[in-house]
Amino acid sequence: KQEVTQIPAALSVPEGENLVLNCSFTDSAIYNLQWFRQDPGKGLTSLLLIQSSQREQTSGRLNASLDKSSGRSTLYIAASQPGDSATYLCAVPMNRDDKIIFGKGTRLHILP
Amino acid sequence: DTAVSQTPKYLVTQMGNDKSIKCEQNLGHDTMYWYKQDSKKFLKIMFSYNNKELIINETVPNRFSPKSPDKAHLNLHINSLELGDSAVYFCASSAWTGAGYTFGSGTRLTVV
Repeated sequence: KQEVTQIPAALSVPEGENLVLNCSFTDSAIYNLQWFRQDPGKGLTSLLLIQSSQREQTSGRLNASLDKSSGRSTLYIAASQPGDSATYLCAVPMNRDDKIIFGKGTRLHILP
Repeated sequence: DTAVSQTPKYLVTQMGNDKSIKCEQNLGHDTMYWYKQDSKKFLKIMFSYNNKELIINETVPNRFSPKSPDKAHLNLHINSLELGDSAVYFCASSAWTGAGYTFGSGTRLTVV
């Protein structure tokens, strides 16, 4: 059974710092891994999608890496801004069916 | 705009009522999903449909009945609403398993 864990559960950092969010999963038979952002009371916005054959993806100040063998992904945010404050979720779809399993998220607060 | 759209955005209703939530996607995706986000913000899959065919039914009470009239629509009907059904319900779609997912903005259901 796939379990997705995100550490830390919450994080507060001053504006301008670089930071890393962690996601780990127990079953490496994944199609891909997707990072989402959720603002309070809003839906999920897709940030980055890494296919199982890829090692990383970059979009602007965001960089996501994937190490399938160790069951880990990291989301690196460079030069953090107050607008980055949100909950960040990682999700993995299983090869065997259409299910995607979400982590419980990391609540990020960037201090001005 | 290409998107996954859900209606209504907010729904407040009394226990015992029957209600429906509608979802439409104009992305040309083959697979659609319903997810439930509980009070602890944990996202869990409820159903998935591929081209109008039910693929996943994830141990959801049979008071919940999804209906897919065509591959662009997936509606969720809930009978005999209970207090514990209060949550945010998200619709999502994907082109194929592993293609990445697009989420709607959610329907906040409150049962009183």
